[in-house]
Parts: sequence; C-alpha cells; structure tokens
Amino acid sequence: AQSVTQLDSQVPVFEEAPVELRCNYSSSVSVYLFWYVQYPNQGLQLLLKYLSGSTLVESINGFEAEFNKSQTSFHLRKPSVHISDTAEYFCAVSERDDKIIFGKGTRLHILP
Amino acid sequence: KAGVTQTPRYLIKTRGQQVTLSCSPISGHRSVSWYQQTPGQGLQFLFEYFSETQRNKGNFPGRFSGRQFSNSRSEMNVSTLELGDSALYLCASSLDVRVLSGYTFGSGTRLTVV
Repeated sequence: AQSVTQLDSQVPVFEEAPVELRCNYSSSVSVYLFWYVQYPNQGLQLLLKYLSGSTLVESINGFEAEFNKSQTSFHLRKPSVHISDTAEYFCAVSERDDKIIFGKGTRLHILP
Repeated sequence: KAGVTQTPRYLIKTRGQQVTLSCSPISGHRSVSWYQQTPGQGLQFLFEYFSETQRNKGNFPGRFSGRQFSNSRSEMNVSTLELGDSALYLCASSLDVRVLSGYTFGSGTRLTVV
C-alpha cells in the first residue's frame, strides 16, 4: 500500500527567502503525486500534480516540484516566498486511480 | 458553478451520541471521498463512493459509515461518538473514479465531541 512521509511538520522561513518542503513516498507501482495547500479555515486546494512526462511540474503562483523516482521524492520548492504563502501544505500519492493518500502536512511560517 | 458544499460547518456533540454529516458534490461529479483531519494524524482516508457504491474504505471502526444517493450527494454517519472523533471532516468530489479528473474539496465540517 502507498504511504507518504512529510519530513518536517513546520518550516519557518523569512519573507523573500527560498523554501523547500520535503516529501517522500512509498509504493510498489507507478503513482500520481500531488501537492495540496490549505489556508486557515478552508478546505484543500490543488497546488500542482505529477501524472507522467516531465518530472518538473509548476504551479501558477511560483511553486514547483520535481519527481525523483530513484529517491521516491516529490519535494516542493519556491525561490522566494511571500507572506501570503503562509498555509499548510500536504503531499499526496495515488496508485493510479486508487484513493489519494495524504501526508501529515507541513506548516509553512513566513517570518517578516 | 457551485463548489463542494458540506453541512453543517460546525457541530458540537456529546460522547455517546451519533452524528450525520452531509456533502453535496459539484454538479456532475459522481465520486465522493471522505477524510478525517486531525492535528496529530493529518488527513486520513475514510471512504470513497461512486454511483452509490462504496469503492474504497479506510481503516476506521464500524462506527463510521457512509452512503451516497442517486443524485451523488453523500452522507457519513458516526455512531457512539468518542472524544477522539473530534476532527475536521472533509469531503472531496471528482467527476469519476479516475484520479486524473481531480479532487475538489469542501470547507469541511468541524465536529467537537464533549
């Protein structure tokens, strides 16, 4: 069965600094990978996804993630964070049209 | 178009009671999944319904049950509530069972058991 590990429960970073949120998964088959974001008192929103093809995927608000099959990782990065990026970020995996399994989340704290 | 609607938004129940939560998916979406979100465990998968049939089930006790109606609306029920059932319950809908079609989440129902 698939599983997801988010190595950091909280990540503090100064505004305009780069950030990386780490995600590792385990699965015995090909997978789809996702990053979701949750702002306070809201549901989850899809940030970006890897289905196939190019291993580097990007979102419209400057985040990117790279699928690394050999390291079973899908880390999320942004070169310069903004105060509005304060949220909880969830990595998720699906074994090809099976249910989506989420990691425990990483809280991103932007420091002024 | 309207998003995923979950009702009620907030609920306070007493230990031992039962509760029913409702989820109306996006119009045209036929698959509904439920998740329990707690600070310690993150999001845990409860179950998934498609065309009124339970397609997947997570590792929760039998006190947790659900169903889906012919109009794709879904309900989940928790009987004999325990303090540990306090959580945010999230519903997500998608066009069909293919993950490719994408999940859209509701804002959740926050259940507090006292």
